[in-house]
Amino acid sequence: ELKVEQNPLFLSMQEGKNYTIYCNYSTTSDRLYWYRQDPGKSLESLFVLLSNGAVKQEGRLMASLDTKARLSTLHITAAVHDLSATYFCAVEETSGSRLTFGEGTQLTVNP
Amino acid sequence: DVKVTQSSRYLVKRTGEKVFLECVQDMDHENMFWYRQDPGLGLRLIYFSYDVKMKEKGDIPEGYSVSREKKERFSLILESASTNQTSMYLCASSSEAEGEYEQYFGPGTRLTVT
Repeated sequence: ELKVEQNPLFLSMQEGKNYTIYCNYSTTSDRLYWYRQDPGKSLESLFVLLSNGAVKQEGRLMASLDTKARLSTLHITAAVHDLSATYFCAVEETSGSRLTFGEGTQLTVNP
Repeated sequence: DVKVTQSSRYLVKRTGEKVFLECVQDMDHENMFWYRQDPGLGLRLIYFSYDVKMKEKGDIPEGYSVSREKKERFSLILESASTNQTSMYLCASSSEAEGEYEQYFGPGTRLTVT
């Protein structure tokens, strides 16, 4: 059974600081997704990582994938208040299209 | 843009009622999914479908059933609602086409069972 774990689950940081969210998963997979969810809203796709060593960047967020370590990171650079949200990683099983989600990381960026 | 819509944003039902949650996508996607989201548990897959009239159990199918009579529509059915089914329900769809991988999510239905 595929398990996906994120840490930290809660993250409070100051504007301008850097931080990393970690996503570990338990079985082989070549596809990993990062989503953002604002309070009361649905999930918005941020990144799709398709192979070992994949790195993608959008604004102050950068995601990477190490399939050998079964680890993805979401790095936040110089955080701003608008990044406050819950971030989920999700791993696709090799046998199909279904995703297994992590518990989510609730990020609060304080002025 | 892909659009996934759900029939209700908020729903309040009584214990024992039969509840239908509807999801429609407009991008001709083959795959459709139903999740429930609870605090601290992330999203958990209830059922999914790869094609019309096809369904597969996810991780927590007990107490739920689904129907997919048309490609664009995927319904989640709670045969006899219980209070432990109070949750946020999210529908998603995705394509099988090469290069298209993401799941696109609907706005969610917050269901309260009293």
